[in-house]
Amino acid sequence: AQKITQTQPGMFVQEKEAVTLDCTYDTSDPSYGLFWYKQPSSGEMIFLIYQGSYDQQNATEGRYSLNFQKARKSANLVISASQLGDSAMYFCAMREVNTGFQKLVFGTGTRLLVSP
Amino acid sequence: DTGVSQDPRHKITKRGQNVTFRCDPISEHNRLYWYRQTLGQGPEFLTYFQNEAQLEKSRLLSDRFSAERPKGSFSTLEIQRTEQGDSAMYLCASSHMDREGDTQYFGPGTRLTVL
Repeated sequence: AQKITQTQPGMFVQEKEAVTLDCTYDTSDPSYGLFWYKQPSSGEMIFLIYQGSYDQQNATEGRYSLNFQKARKSANLVISASQLGDSAMYFCAMREVNTGFQKLVFGTGTRLLVSP
Repeated sequence: DTGVSQDPRHKITKRGQNVTFRCDPISEHNRLYWYRQTLGQGPEFLTYFQNEAQLEKSRLLSDRFSAERPKGSFSTLEIQRTEQGDSAMYLCASSHMDREGDTQYFGPGTRLTVL
């Protein structure tokens, strides 16, 4: 069964520094997608970045990059040059392709606090 | 291109009452999903539509829950005889199966409080 584990309940970082949020996953499907979402206090889930299991290069989107280590089944999110507006909950999620199911399975999230 | 919208944003109801939520997906997105999120947890999948067909339902979706997507456009989620345990954030998402890795984009959610 697919599973996402986020072991960091909270992380603190100073403005302008980089931070890594951890995510490990478990699946028996060789084809899957990994996603990161940001959830501010307003509640909306904001899509940040996507990595396909067959993608050769790590995904990048602006200040976000995904450190994809397939053999270790990890998909850590790296935020460079943190900003105060980055303070939020961050969720890692996975979707299996070959099972035919389209649902995302989420981890429990990491709360990031960026201080001035 | 407008994002996913949900209505209402907040709903307070008494136990035993019926409630209905609406979701309008991003135009041209052929897939629509409902999730439920309780405090301190990540969203949990409830159900999924491809066009107007409901293709997948979670065991979390008891007989009191029903979802529709007439004509493959907006969707409604109805909860009958609400219970206090139904209090949660209900999130809707949409995606296009052939674009952007089928990435799901979420709406702002409907926060339900059952008294």
